[in-house]
Amino acid sequence: EAQVTQNPRYLITVTGKKLTVTCSQNMNHEYMSWYRQDPGLGLRQIYYSMNVEVTDKGDVPEGYKVSRKEKRNFPLILESPSPNQTSLYFCASSLSGQVTDTQYFGPGTRLTVL
Amino acid sequence: AQSVAQPEDQVNVAEGNPLTVKCTYSVSGNPYLFWYVQYPNRGLQFLLKYITGDNLVKGSYGFEAEFNKSQTSFHLKKPSALVSDSALYFCAVRDFPSGNTPLVFGKGTRLSVIA
Repeated sequence: EAQVTQNPRYLITVTGKKLTVTCSQNMNHEYMSWYRQDPGLGLRQIYYSMNVEVTDKGDVPEGYKVSRKEKRNFPLILESPSPNQTSLYFCASSLSGQVTDTQYFGPGTRLTVL
Repeated sequence: AQSVAQPEDQVNVAEGNPLTVKCTYSVSGNPYLFWYVQYPNRGLQFLLKYITGDNLVKGSYGFEAEFNKSQTSFHLKKPSALVSDSALYFCAVRDFPSGNTPLVFGKGTRLSVIA
């Protein structure tokens, strides 16, 4: 089944404790992206990757890092999480970065930073 | 920069009645418009998109959307609502051209279909 998977689905952590949220897709997509969803704000892009070893900032990149060493994986790294990073995170992928491509989303990771 | 507005936070409709979820957009170039649905504790599911051509786009689960360039709108519609359609709906837009143009989302509209 074609899908985007994320792990963990739920995470509670404390301020300053480094964490990684994994994202993997099995559709051989070139483009991958991370979003955060906050009430009343919709989804906002954190980082994106056009292909392996090619990443760039989205609208809200502060406090996050990403890497794209393999085509299928795009982990999101929080080096020193803070409470304002408490949010629902979505990974997405599409065939390429073309504006007409449909992005397919993972199930989400709900992160709470205490 | 592109933007999307969903003017209604909440839409209530009786089961069997037609439903409309509104979306207006602002872009500098040609708009590429998308609708997604989010069910409780689930990720976003793609419903439909407008790229070019026919202004009426048909999508999944019986939904359709009408692109109106003069009104810069892309309203989501369904002729007969089901209780199972109750969910959070997002309109999104991408502009062209300019490298990576992110998918810009509206704030979402919660649809409640009442039996």
